[in-house]
Amino acid sequence: DGGITQSPKYLFRKEGQNVTLSCEQNLNHDAMYWYRQDPGQGLRLIYYSQIVNDFQKGDIAEGYSVSREKKESFPLTVTSAQKNPTAFYLCASSARANEKLFFGSGTQLSVL
Amino acid sequence: GESVGLHLPTLSVQEGDNSIINCAYSNSASDYFIWYKQESGKGPQFIIDIRSNMDKRQGQRVTVLLNKTVKHLSLQIAATQPGDSAVYFCAENRLPNTGNQFYFGTGTSLTVIP
Repeated sequence: DGGITQSPKYLFRKEGQNVTLSCEQNLNHDAMYWYRQDPGQGLRLIYYSQIVNDFQKGDIAEGYSVSREKKESFPLTVTSAQKNPTAFYLCASSARANEKLFFGSGTQLSVL
Repeated sequence: GESVGLHLPTLSVQEGDNSIINCAYSNSASDYFIWYKQESGKGPQFIIDIRSNMDKRQGQRVTVLLNKTVKHLSLQIAATQPGDSAVYFCAENRLPNTGNQFYFGTGTSLTVIP
């Protein structure tokens, strides 16, 4: 069953803590993305990667970091520098750049 | 400034009626548009897409219309069902861009009344 798997579903972060959100895809897609969704707002791009070992900042990259060591995986780390991390985080992939995005089921991050 | 927006934040329809959800865009160079459906607590689900060389595209119970003259996009859902209740939003692929930059509207919440 092909798709995009995000884990965990819910995550809690303590002040000063870094947390990592997992995203795995078995669609053999080249491109992967991380979006942040806040209530009443459209999705905002955090980071994207069009190929292994390469990634680019999106519109709101500050306080986040990513890696793309494998084609299937694109983890997102929310660092302590992100002062307002509470949001719904969505991972997506596309076969190639500028093609339709397929989304995972999301991770809800909250601050303790 | 440029934006991808929706005319109505909420829409209520009777079960069995047709639904129309609208989206306005401002970049005439945009060449690709997608409609997504998002249920509460879930990731967006692809519904249908359309490229700028087309005016209309049909899927199963859904039709997307693109009016490039007024930069307007609409999603029509035929015979709306309770399972169609969700937030619907459009995504616009703007050109030129240096990456895969889709811009998303805030969404319209569709409620189907049984």
